[in-house]
Amino acid sequence: AQTVTQSQPEMSVQEAETVTLSCTYDTSESDYYLFWYKQPPSRQMILVIRQEAYKQQNATENRFSVNFQKAAKSFSLKISDSQLGDAAMYFCAYRWGRDDKIIFGKGTRLHILP
Amino acid sequence: NAGVTQTPKFRVLKTGQSMTLLCAQDMNHEYMYWYRQDPGMGLRLIHYSVGEGTTAKGEVPDGYNVSRLKKQNFLLGLESAAPSQTSVYFCASSDPRWGNQPQHFGDGTRLSIL
Repeated sequence: AQTVTQSQPEMSVQEAETVTLSCTYDTSESDYYLFWYKQPPSRQMILVIRQEAYKQQNATENRFSVNFQKAAKSFSLKISDSQLGDAAMYFCAYRWGRDDKIIFGKGTRLHILP
Repeated sequence: NAGVTQTPKFRVLKTGQSMTLLCAQDMNHEYMYWYRQDPGMGLRLIHYSVGEGTTAKGEVPDGYNVSRLKKQNFLLGLESAAPSQTSVYFCASSDPRWGNQPQHFGDGTRLSIL
């Protein structure tokens, strides 16, 4: 069975600094997708970044980038130049290529310190 | 552009009562989802739909029913509410071009069962 594990329930980072959120997953499939979602205090979840497993290049969206280590089944999110608006719960998620279901991790709450 | 709209935002029910949560999206998305979010559990998929007139079970479907009579609406029903169904419920939608993962989430419905 596929699983997604986020081992850091909470993290804090100073404003303007860089922070990395960890995510590991377990799967025997070769065709899958990985995602990071952000859920601000307003609760409306937003898709931040997406990585296809077949792509070796790490995805990047502005200040957000991932470190995708397929052999290690690791998918960390790096946020550069942290801003107060980045404070949120971050969820790592996995989807098998032939399935419609997505498996979410339990989330990491990120605090931004001014 | 409203995106994904959920009604109601809050509701308190007594055990055994029934109710329907409404989700509406105006993005012409084919896929729609219902999730529940519990503390320490992350998001769990209840039911989903890949198109008008179709529904499928997710990870935790028991005690819930859904209908997708119109493409823009996805209804979640609780037939006989139980305290274990106290949760925050999120609806989401997505366009298959993005790989069938939920893109846009609603603001959530906080449901308490007494």
